[in-house]
Amino acid sequence: GQSLEQPSEVTAVEGAIVQINCTYQTSGFYGLSWYQQHDGGAPTFLSYNALDGLEETGRFSSFLSRSDSYGYLLLQELQMKDSASYFCAANTGGFKTIFGAGTRLFVKA
Amino acid sequence: DTAVSQTPKYLVTQMGNDKSIKCEQNLGHDTMYWYKQDSKKFLKIMFSYNNKELIINETVPNRFSPKSPDKAHLNLHINSLELGDSAVYFCASSQPGPGLAGEQQYFGPGTRLTVL
Repeated sequence: GQSLEQPSEVTAVEGAIVQINCTYQTSGFYGLSWYQQHDGGAPTFLSYNALDGLEETGRFSSFLSRSDSYGYLLLQELQMKDSASYFCAANTGGFKTIFGAGTRLFVKA
Repeated sequence: DTAVSQTPKYLVTQMGNDKSIKCEQNLGHDTMYWYKQDSKKFLKIMFSYNNKELIINETVPNRFSPKSPDKAHLNLHINSLELGDSAVYFCASSQPGPGLAGEQQYFGPGTRLTVL
């Protein structure tokens, strides 16, 4: 079957750096997206990697290695407002996106 | 000016009833989706539509019937509601890119459905 694996929970302190890993197993693959979801809210897009390497958007960066079927989201200078769930999602082709189960990030003061 | 809107935001109903959720996007996107997020926050695709045409039906029971009257609207009708249908339903839209699913999906605010 097709699946994405990511840790269920991560805890870090304000100002720190945290990395959320995602490994995927899909029959087709065009790219990896990351979404943030606060409690009671909707998922919001953070980044997309179609090619190997690092994409940087402000405090957030995302990395992809297609040969390893692996990606990660890096959050720098953590703030309390970054406490949320983070989902990796694979674009598998044919108008289909498969989401991981999400990583709950707790940021402590 | 909301990009993707859904109504209603909350829906509480009895088992066996029929209900509908409406979704509209003003982004000019060609592709729209319905997702179901369960209590464990697992986000699962249900349907994809492109240019009003059904592309993906992810083994969803036929009690769920999506309808796209035009590219900007994708509604979801659910017949004979069951307890297990309780979840948050998200509508989303994107513009197709490589792989067609689109690099960035815009999600509506969600509809929390509770079946009693």
